[in-house]
This record gives sequence, structure tokens and C-alpha cells, in this order.
Amino acid sequence: SQQGEEDPQALSIQEGENATMNCSYKTSINNLQWYRQNSGRGLVHLILIRSNEREKHSGRLRVTLDTSKKSSSLLITASRAADTASYFCATGDKETSGSRLTFGEGTQLTVNP
Amino acid sequence: DAGVTQSPTHLIKTRGQHVTLRCSPISGHKSVSWYQQVLGQGPQFIFQYYEKEERGRGNFPDRFSARQFPNYSSELNVNALLLGDSALYLCASSRRGQPGFSGNTIYFGEGSWLTVV
Repeated sequence: SQQGEEDPQALSIQEGENATMNCSYKTSINNLQWYRQNSGRGLVHLILIRSNEREKHSGRLRVTLDTSKKSSSLLITASRAADTASYFCATGDKETSGSRLTFGEGTQLTVNP
Repeated sequence: DAGVTQSPTHLIKTRGQHVTLRCSPISGHKSVSWYQQVLGQGPQFIFQYYEKEERGRGNFPDRFSARQFPNYSSELNVNALLLGDSALYLCASSRRGQPGFSGNTIYFGEGSWLTVV
């Protein structure tokens, strides 16, 4: 079963705009990871945020985590056509090793040139 | 260093047949996990192996089995294939994977596309 829910399911923006994707989850977590997946390809790791962290940056990516609301957001600034992909959040919960991830359904991002 | 490598990349099998998928983790990584991703959905956890022992199993039937070898590579086996087994099978590796450990960045391979006809 899917723990996370991404919102929105699909997002279409113009190049240069910012894209924000949200993720909600249900259980207590050790960490939350965001991944990108180009059509039919494997998952590319973007960023990991631990349960005791509130915000993390990596290049044009900014991730926030609110454990009280069991939610996270991924912000991509100054988007490019190459950012077009599906984005997934995945949680590692406290009951398992943290190597067992539970994924949401993903957000399909389309960046129009 | 090479990333997580999987083989084969694509394969077609007939219902009732057996399939073996292979995975080599990133050098130095001792934990390997397997996921199934059906088109349009997020990946679903199947198995995790750490130090050659099964550490977790998802909600999949006994037709699915896996193992990890002394060099930390892994195989996923699926018996008596059904049409519903058609999916992208993803292998992931991480440096550690013991219970209670957090902060593990998990890296995925490109996957093996299985089509069952």
C-alpha cells in the first residue's frame, strides 16, 4: 500500500517558473527522500531529509519537512524543460531499517519551453 | 564508480514461466532492496537484504523470492508468472541497512522491464 500522497498529481508550468510539489505520509519516519524518474527509467535520488531536519537545499532544490503535519514539500526554482519528469517522495519508517522505502503515487511535472 | 546495475533491461515472458532478475549494488554497499513499479504508480517494496540475510518482505506472494550473494549482488526470482507481474522491477542499494539505522541514502538502478504475455 502507498503511504505517501503527492499533490498535485500533475503540474504543468513554463520554463523559468518555480514548481512546488507536496507529499503527505502517515507513520513516524526516520527520513524522507525525493526521487525523480524520467519516463520508463530508473529513479534518480535528489535529496534526503532526516526527521530532525526542517529544511534542506541542493542547487535549485529546496525541501521542507514538517513532522507534526506529516508532510514535505519539494520546490524546484527556475525550472527547465529538462526537469520534466515524475517526482516521488519516499519515507523510511522507524519500525524498519530505513532501507525499506514507502513511495507515494508521484507528481508528473511538465515544464514547457 | 558504477551505479546500481541491473540485468536484463527488457524481457518478455509467457504466463506460467519463471524469471530471474539480477542486480549489482554500488561498490561498498551491503544492502539491496527490490521494488516493483506498475505503470502509473509508485514503486512497491518487495524485499530487502542486508549482509546476505532477508531483512524485510513486502506484501507479495510466495512466487516471489530473492537472495543475496557473498559479493552482495542479488537475484529476484518470480515463478508462475501472471499477466499482472508485468512491471518495472527496480533494484536499490545502500551502504547500510540494519534495523533502526536512519539517514541511509538509497540509490536505484535503471530497472528491468518485464512483460508477461
